[in-house]
Amino acid sequence: KQEVTQIPAALSVPEGENLVLNCSFTDSAIYNLQWFRQDPGKGLTSLLLIQSSQREQTSGRLNASLDKSSGRSTLYIAASQPGDSATYLCAVGNNAGGTSYGKLTFGQGTILTVHP
Amino acid sequence: NAGVTQTPKFRILKIGQSMTLQCAQDMNHNYMYWYRQDPGMGLKLIYYSVGAGITDKGEVPNGYNVSRSTTEDFPLRLELAAPSQTSVYFCASSYSNNSPLHFGNGTRLTVT
Repeated sequence: KQEVTQIPAALSVPEGENLVLNCSFTDSAIYNLQWFRQDPGKGLTSLLLIQSSQREQTSGRLNASLDKSSGRSTLYIAASQPGDSATYLCAVGNNAGGTSYGKLTFGQGTILTVHP
Repeated sequence: NAGVTQTPKFRILKIGQSMTLQCAQDMNHNYMYWYRQDPGMGLKLIYYSVGAGITDKGEVPNGYNVSRSTTEDFPLRLELAAPSQTSVYFCASSYSNNSPLHFGNGTRLTVT
């Protein structure tokens, strides 16, 4: 059974700092990996999706990497801003015979606070 | 373009009552999902659907039922509410099995 772990559980940084959020998974036979952002009382917003054949994806100040063999992904946020404060969740699409049916296994999330 | 719409936003149920959580999407997505999120935990998949008329169980389906009669709607039914079903419920949709998921804003359910 796939298990997804995110470290640290919480992170507080000053504005402007570059930071890295970590995600690890136990079964390397994945279909894809997604990073989401969740603001308090809201739903999740997809940030980046990495296909199993890719090593990284970039969107603006965000860069996500994937190393299937070691079961790890990182989300790098450059030049952090107070508006980046949110919970960040990593989710793995498990490979079930060449598809995932879109089903995801989520980590518990990292609560990020960026203070001015 | 509303995306994924969930109703109601909040609900309090007594033990043994039943209710339906509504979910609708206007993006013509084939794939739809129901997740629950408990405090400090990641999301867990309850049921999913790969198209109208096709549904299947996720990781935690006990106590729930779903139907998918149209592409747009994917309601979740709780038949006999139990305190263990107190949670925040999220509906999501995606274009394909390899596309980003779009989430609704959730329904916060309390069973007392």
